Formats: sequence, C-alpha cells, structure tokens
Amino acid sequence: SAVISQKPSRDICQRGTSLTIQCQVDSQVTMMFWYRQQPGQSLTLIATANQGSEATYESGFVIDKFPISRPNLTFSTLTVSNMSPEDSSIYLCSVMTPDTQYFGPGTRLTVL
Amino acid sequence: QKEVEQDPGPLSVPEGAIVSLNCTYSNSAFQYFMWYRQYSRKGPELLMYTYSSGNKEDGRFTAQVDKSSKYISLFIRDSQPSDSATYLCAMTTSGTYKYIFGTGTRLKVLA
Repeated sequence: SAVISQKPSRDICQRGTSLTIQCQVDSQVTMMFWYRQQPGQSLTLIATANQGSEATYESGFVIDKFPISRPNLTFSTLTVSNMSPEDSSIYLCSVMTPDTQYFGPGTRLTVL
Repeated sequence: QKEVEQDPGPLSVPEGAIVSLNCTYSNSAFQYFMWYRQYSRKGPELLMYTYSSGNKEDGRFTAQVDKSSKYISLFIRDSQPSDSATYLCAMTTSGTYKYIFGTGTRLKVLA
C-alpha cells in the first residue's frame, strides 16, 4: 500500500489566480496521477506524472492550464492556472503500486 | 453510452442488512475490477480488487465479477452505519494503468 498526503486540503480562490497542489507519498513510486472529481461525475484522469519525464495529459487537459512537476519519486505538484468557477472541484493525487492505485485525501477547490 | 454505469443512489438500508452494489460495463477487454470506498471529504480507499471472473471475499465484503454479463457486484454483509459512504467501481484492461471509474453509489446504513 501507499500513504499519500496532499496540501492544501481545501482552498477558496479568486477567478484568474493560480493554485499549486502538493502530493507527497511515503514510498518511492514510478507512476503518479492527478484526477479531478466533480459532483455526480466519475473520477477524471487529468494527467500521468512520471519522474524524469514530462507529464502525459488526457484529452481535454493541457499543460498550460494544469502544469505538473515531478521532481522525485515521492513528490508531485499540480497547478491549476488562471482559474475560473468551472475549475471548482476536488483534485486527487494517486499512485500506482504493484497491487493497484491508491489515492490521496484530495484538495477541495472553490473558485469564486 | 458510458463505458461504466453505476447507479448513483442514494441507497438506504437498515443496519444488519445485506447490501448489493453493482456496475455494468461495455468494454469486454476489462480484466481488473476494483471497488473503492469514499467517505465524505476523503479520498477513495481501495476495498477490493479482482482479476477476471469469479468471487473474492474479505471479511464482510464479497466482490463478484461476471464477465459474460459485463456485470460486477460488491456485497456487504451485516452492514454497519460506518459503512455509509460512496462506493466507486473501477476497471481496467491488462497492461494499462488507466482506470475507468463509475460515478459512485451513495450508501446510507441506518442505525
């Protein structure tokens, strides 16, 4: 298993600003993922972040809007840039282990 | 049609009841099936995962996969108020990390 922490746990931001979310894992993992969870919708994969390479973004998500860093095997950040109210959501970090995926507690973002 | 369909609920049951949660899917290539439990304001927590068809039991929880019907189930025996949460199914094909999630079923176990 893996223990994952995220910071901040929640935030309220103004339109047009940016927020960086941090994800820390208690063990070294190759693959980390960022998801978005909106009410009544499935978890949506934003991107995959592997250490030492650029993140791979899913359809509908672009690097300019959601830049990701992955400086080492236990840490990653996701930035939500130039935010609008439509970005209000829960953002989840996840890691892949030999068993399956484990999730962090999430960051609840509200954009006014 | 979504790849994975899951009734959003809410499903309310009395304490001690047997709960059945289900997902249907359309992609016959799915081989790995997961159930996650998510408490309010928390991240999803892995409950069980199974490979291919069959049953898997862990305490009060039983996961069942019927690939011929493209249907998976999670049974909770002797349900407790602490089981009140949203249950997400997820599935993936062999050799990929991309999980496809259901929308989740909200379960309420009434004391």
